[in-house]
Amino acid sequence: QKEVEQDPGPLSVPEGAIVSLNCTYSNSAFQYFMWYRQYSRKGPELLMYTYSSGNKEDGRFTAQVDKSSKYISLFIRDSQPSDSATYLCAMSVLNKFYFGSGTKLNVKP
Amino acid sequence: SQTIHQWPATLVQPVGSPLSLECTVEGTSNPNLYWYRQAAGRGLQLLFYSVGIGQISSEVPQNLSASRPQDRQFILSSKKLLLSDSGFYLCAWSRSERKSLAKNIQYFGAGTRLSVL
Repeated sequence: QKEVEQDPGPLSVPEGAIVSLNCTYSNSAFQYFMWYRQYSRKGPELLMYTYSSGNKEDGRFTAQVDKSSKYISLFIRDSQPSDSATYLCAMSVLNKFYFGSGTKLNVKP
Repeated sequence: SQTIHQWPATLVQPVGSPLSLECTVEGTSNPNLYWYRQAAGRGLQLLFYSVGIGQISSEVPQNLSASRPQDRQFILSSKKLLLSDSGFYLCAWSRSERKSLAKNIQYFGAGTRLSVL
């Protein structure tokens, strides 16, 4: 079993839709939970991170962590064509990092 | 603020030639440094990580090596490239655990796309 599971998509939505991206994990020791956005042929850009459980909001983006279910989510409100990218979830403990394989999102104008 | 620089952005090399990719971090000291390879649809594969000068840990035995000659410099090398070394290489850094406000967050460079022909 992989440490982190992420649906690769692709996920295609119309502009303005609410997008939900999810990851599950197996290691209950994970402390930090991150979401990265990666445009084609570019390096991953850190979008948001949370420590332990709970929600964190930044503009149109909300990150949610449910440690009891070992489940994390990223919500994008009012999605824009510029949000079209691959989204990677990542988790860490003791400076070891574990990544999902990425979900490719396409927001259609 | 901290920044990470990685170059070159694109590289085309013949089979059997040497390789040197460089990564530097600015605005922090004693970072943990990482090299990853990213294959299409297969996620990130950790190749090497370093917690200090001259300290390199290899995660996957292969045709590549890494060195850390200075605190904020990380180099990925090969003496003779193979076709299978083609891919997208990413350098990343995180704060050292020794720092009191350390966060287990990783930041990436822009990546190098390597094509071995």
